[in-house]
Amino acid sequence: DTAVSQTPKYLVTQMGNDKSIKCEQNLGHDTMYWYKQDSKKFLKIMFSYNNKELIINETVPNRFSPKSPDKAHLNLHINSLELGDSAVYFCASSQDPGGMGNEKLFFGSGTQLSVL
Amino acid sequence: RKEVEQDPGPFNVPEGATVAFNCTYSNSASQSFFWYRQDCRKEPKLLMSVYSSGNEDGRFTAQLNRASQYISLLIRDSKLSDSATYLCVVEAYGQNFVFGPGTRLSVLP
Repeated sequence: DTAVSQTPKYLVTQMGNDKSIKCEQNLGHDTMYWYKQDSKKFLKIMFSYNNKELIINETVPNRFSPKSPDKAHLNLHINSLELGDSAVYFCASSQDPGGMGNEKLFFGSGTQLSVL
Repeated sequence: RKEVEQDPGPFNVPEGATVAFNCTYSNSASQSFFWYRQDCRKEPKLLMSVYSSGNEDGRFTAQLNRASQYISLLIRDSKLSDSATYLCVVEAYGQNFVFGPGTRLSVLP
């Protein structure tokens, strides 16, 4: 059973389209994340949700809207796609052990988004 | 200054070599520290957590110096399978995991 699964694995689309990436975790974790890894391979956090509540919202265009229907799911919807949105998007989850240093991030396998 | 900085690399080393990676972080309030490994076109995976007393896992040793805000990873007896990008990760606050840019390692036969 895959712990963190995201779909689709590859997404090729035209500029201006709207697309969604779905993420689900079966680890019972409280916190889920979206990270973006650009062509320079830098992994940057976009959003974080804890128990369906938004807790981290980095400087991301408001064309990106996360939705968490329950704590096991965190979807990412992107409106009006631009060339610069091309990247690999990783979903991740972690438990919330209260800062004991045992937090671990579990990642999905990534979605390669190519905007043409 | 970036929140987490690493040796730019790439490091090309022969099998059996010992290699060390360095990482510095800017937020003195950071709570937890980790090394992750990322293979080409794959997701990052936890290699090891880093504790103040230093910790070892087989051929891998991690050290943390809070006063200098410095983290290191030492790999002994490098294997071909160690070739990957090594990511230094710092938990800044409230489970905000900040990733360094990564250091690429190639172990050559």
